[in-house]
Amino acid sequence: DGGITQSPKYLFRKEGQNVTLSCEQNLNHDAMYWYRQDPGQGLRLIYYSQIVNDFQKGDIAEGYSVSREKKESFPLTVTSAQKNPTAFYLCASSISPLWNTGNTIYFGEGSWLTVV
Amino acid sequence: DAKTTQPTSMDCAEGRAANLPCNHSTISGNEYVYWYRQIHSQGPQYIIHGLKNNETNEMASLIITEDRKSSTLILPHATLRDTAVYYCIGVGVGGANNLFFGTGTRLTVIP
Repeated sequence: DGGITQSPKYLFRKEGQNVTLSCEQNLNHDAMYWYRQDPGQGLRLIYYSQIVNDFQKGDIAEGYSVSREKKESFPLTVTSAQKNPTAFYLCASSISPLWNTGNTIYFGEGSWLTVV
Repeated sequence: DAKTTQPTSMDCAEGRAANLPCNHSTISGNEYVYWYRQIHSQGPQYIIHGLKNNETNEMASLIITEDRKSSTLILPHATLRDTAVYYCIGVGVGGANNLFFGTGTRLTVIP
């Protein structure tokens, strides 16, 4: 079954802990993205990667870190430095990073992170 | 990059056409307009995109005005499963770091 797989779907974190959200895609896409969504709000870009071993900060990268060691994987770590991490996190990918060529971005089903 | 504005909410009777407007007055010539929808607690689902010509696929039609400052997504026969938040997205040159999702339009299909 092709697509983007995010895990876990629900995650609880204690204050001061780092947590890592997994994102795997088998679409052979070069570009991958992480977005954050707060209740009733739109999506905000955290990090994106255009190619293996390269990634760029988005609008709200503070308190987050990523790695792109393999083409199919783009894990997101929410560090203790992120002051308000409770949110819905979405991973996405596209065949290439240049949207003005008309490429389509596909999303995973999301991960809910709650700080307790 | 193109910022987009959409009405906060709309209702549509089941079986009727749903017409969702979007203003993107700052769009530039090489920026596509994308439409996605999101059902609560799920990832956004791609619907359609276009540059300047009208587009149609199995899900919807996209009508883009000649000056490209606005567009309308048309769901020809709305069903209850079309109840969702619909996002009109402008995409700037360079890709991911110029996306603007906004808060979308909450479409409610009424039986």
